[in-house]
Amino acid sequence: LAKTTQPISMDSYEGQEVNITCSHNNIATNDYITWYQQFPSQGPRFIIQGYKTKVTNEVASLFIPADRKSSTLSLPRVSLSDTAVYYCLVAKDSNYQLIWGAGTKLIIKP
Amino acid sequence: DGGITQSPKYLFRKEGQNVTLSCEQNLNHDAMYWYRQDPGQGLRLIYYSQIVNDFQKGDIAEGYSVSREKKESFPLTVTSAQKNPTAFYLCASSPWGQGNQPQHFGDGTRLSIL
Repeated sequence: LAKTTQPISMDSYEGQEVNITCSHNNIATNDYITWYQQFPSQGPRFIIQGYKTKVTNEVASLFIPADRKSSTLSLPRVSLSDTAVYYCLVAKDSNYQLIWGAGTKLIIKP
Repeated sequence: DGGITQSPKYLFRKEGQNVTLSCEQNLNHDAMYWYRQDPGQGLRLIYYSQIVNDFQKGDIAEGYSVSREKKESFPLTVTSAQKNPTAFYLCASSPWGQGNQPQHFGDGTRLSIL
């Protein structure tokens, strides 16, 4: 049974780099990994998506090792406004199943 | 601005009544989705539609129904058969129904059953 696992919560401080890892042991060749950010009482917002190796955009980086059984979202120099819940999603290409992680609550302290 | 509009933001209904949640998008996306989120929990897929006049059950479809008569609209009905309907409901869309298409979300409807 495919499953996506993330830490329940993490703490960090302003200005630090934060790495959140997602485990997805049953990932298949054509499955994509996507990360979303959610603030209270709002819908999730797309952060970054990747398939393999490394992807970087203006807000984050996504690292995917060769075996693709995990992925790491990296947030550089976080601020208080990065306090949110972060979700990892694996979209199965074979049967269009969407496997969401339970979310990681990230708290940034001053 | 393009986006997804969910209405109302808060909805209260008596037990045993059906209630319909609205979701409209002007992004010209083919695929649309409905999720349920309980306090402190992740997202669970209720229904999704990859194209007009077609939709598929997600992981927790029992007690819910949907229609997709227009590309821009994907209403969700919470029926009296849903035993615990109080939750935060999120609608999303993507350009088409493939895993490499990021989903765009509305800001949700919070449903409370009195």
